[in-house]
Order: sequence, then C-alpha cells, then structure tokens
Amino acid sequence: EIVMTQSPATLSVSPGERATVHCRASQSVGSNLAWYQQKPGQAPRLLIYGASTRATGIPARFSGGGSGTEFTLTISSLQSEDFAVYYCQHYNNWPPWTFGQGTKVEIK
Amino acid sequence: EVQLVESGGGLVQPGGSLRLSCSASGFPFTDAWMSWVRQAPGKGLEWVGRILSKGGGETTAYGAPVKGRFTISRDDSTNTLHLQMNSLEIEDTALYHCTWEAVAGVSVHWGQGTLVTVST
Repeated sequence: EIVMTQSPATLSVSPGERATVHCRASQSVGSNLAWYQQKPGQAPRLLIYGASTRATGIPARFSGGGSGTEFTLTISSLQSEDFAVYYCQHYNNWPPWTFGQGTKVEIK
Repeated sequence: EVQLVESGGGLVQPGGSLRLSCSASGFPFTDAWMSWVRQAPGKGLEWVGRILSKGGGETTAYGAPVKGRFTISRDDSTNTLHLQMNSLEIEDTALYHCTWEAVAGVSVHWGQGTLVTVST
C-alpha cells in the first residue's frame, strides 16, 4: 500500500498570503494525485486531479504541481473561505487508494 | 444536478452487520464507477472500496482494513449503491460517504454521508 504523507500538519497563514501544502508518496504515483478541501460539517470537495488540473468551478488561485513522489498544492492569495483542511489522495494503477493525513490551513 | 444521498447508518454492536445505501441521481449511474470513503470522528479520510460499472464487470476493490468483511454492490435498476458491512469493529465507527468517480479513481462528487457507530 502506498503511504501518503502531508506536511505541515497545520499551516497558519494571514488572509492574502500564499499557502503551500506538501504531499509525498512512498513510491511513484505518476501524476495520479488529487487534492480535496474539507470545511467543518461538510463533505470534501475536489480541487485538483491529475496533479495539476483544476476541477470544475475551482478558482485559479488554487494550483497543483509535482509528479512521481513529490506534490504541492498552492493557494496564491488566501481568502477567508479557504481556511479548511486539505487532503491529497493517490489513485495510481489499481486500488487501494490512500489519502494523506490532512493539513489544516488556519488563520494566523 | 448530481445528487448522492446515503442512508442506513445507525448504532450497532461489535460483531454486528449493517447495510448502507446510496441513492444516486443527475448522472448516468449505469456507467458510473462508484466508491465509498469514510471518516472517523475528528480524523482524516479513508478509502473503503469501489465498484466498476456493469461494463467493467462490476469489479470491486477494498481497502485492507475492510477486505473480507465489507461488500460493495449496485442495483442499476434503482440507481442505488450498497455497502454491506459484516463483523463490524469499534474502529469502523465513521461517517460513510458515497462518491462518484467521474474521473477514474477520483471522487469528483460526494454525498453528505451516513453515520455508523459501533459500540456496546
């Protein structure tokens, strides 16, 4: 099973600043990497798939990068609605898929 | 509009069974690959399993913690996904989400979830 490790666990950022979340896979997953956002009491929402393709309706301030084992999610200028928990997930080859443990982006 | 509505959650004793359902609408369910993802209270997301469409042989796959205990099935005549959970353990306590893999392997659309509590 591929292990996904996110860092940091918590990221404290001021509104308007840039935030970067890291995700590392224990072995190569190619570009088969997705990012999700989850707010309290809500279901997760897909942000990015294919490592860098934004899902429908996702603002351009969200961008994904990387391939192989190292990935990043960048929010260029944090808005109040972006404070949430972010998860990466690989879907390489055949299941089982695995998620990272999550990164909480909080207001500094 | 895509809608996924889970039901069937509740309180069950360890060793018991429960069957979850997910009613789907707003997309071609017959061709859809579907997954279950769970989230224990205050914890992160955990992939449970998936089922391909009939055209994909209704092939299933499961995460290690539930393999051999959980079974995913589908009823295309009613656009319903099922999760049969047997030999439930306290660690299975979680909110169970039904998802549509509109992109293979990617949970593009999510239901709000149904809560399963395994406790004495």
